[in-house]
Amino acid sequence: DVKVTQSSRYLVKRTGEKVFLECVQDMDHENMFWYRQDPGLGLRLIYFSYDVKMKEKGDIPEGYSVSREKKERFSLILESASTNQTSMYLCASSPRLANYGYTFGSGTRLTVV
Amino acid sequence: RKEVEQDPGPFNVPEGATVAFNCTYSNSASQSFFWYRQDCRKEPKLLMSVYSSGNEDGRFTAQLNRASQYISLLIRDSKLSDSATYLCVVNAGSARQLTFGSGTQLTVLP
Repeated sequence: DVKVTQSSRYLVKRTGEKVFLECVQDMDHENMFWYRQDPGLGLRLIYFSYDVKMKEKGDIPEGYSVSREKKERFSLILESASTNQTSMYLCASSPRLANYGYTFGSGTRLTVV
Repeated sequence: RKEVEQDPGPFNVPEGATVAFNCTYSNSASQSFFWYRQDCRKEPKLLMSVYSSGNEDGRFTAQLNRASQYISLLIRDSKLSDSATYLCVVNAGSARQLTFGSGTQLTVLP
């Protein structure tokens, strides 16, 4: 069964900490995405990548950066965590053409205190 | 105007009822359409793709109307386990990227 694995299900971090969220997929997918999801706001795209070492800003990139050194791994970095980054973070991947949809990881629920 | 719009609900229906959700999209060049299901505090999961001719999977039927730019999902004989949020998903102008609606919340009541 194909999988997208996110390293942590729940995380609690302190304000100002640097936070790394890891995502690994085993489907040899070209495209990878990071979303955050908050009640009433739906899925919001933070960053995406169509290839190794490639990254593009999504709709809400402020306060975040990403890294894609290997095809299977896409990391989201919160440079200095703030309480307004408390959210559910979802990673997704797809083949080059997304006509079969995305596969999501199980999500990381991050709380910044 | 949002690229993908859905009625947020909530839809509260009794077990056994038939319920329908609609979704409109703004980009007439869109080619791929999906319905995803998301359970509370879980990740979205693909429920079904939507094809031009319409398609059915058990109790679920999806339809596409390109002229009016909307897709629909019909659930027949609702079960308690159908309670979830249903996300309408479209490739709004990019073959590599999908746009998600905000979701329609369904609760099936005993």
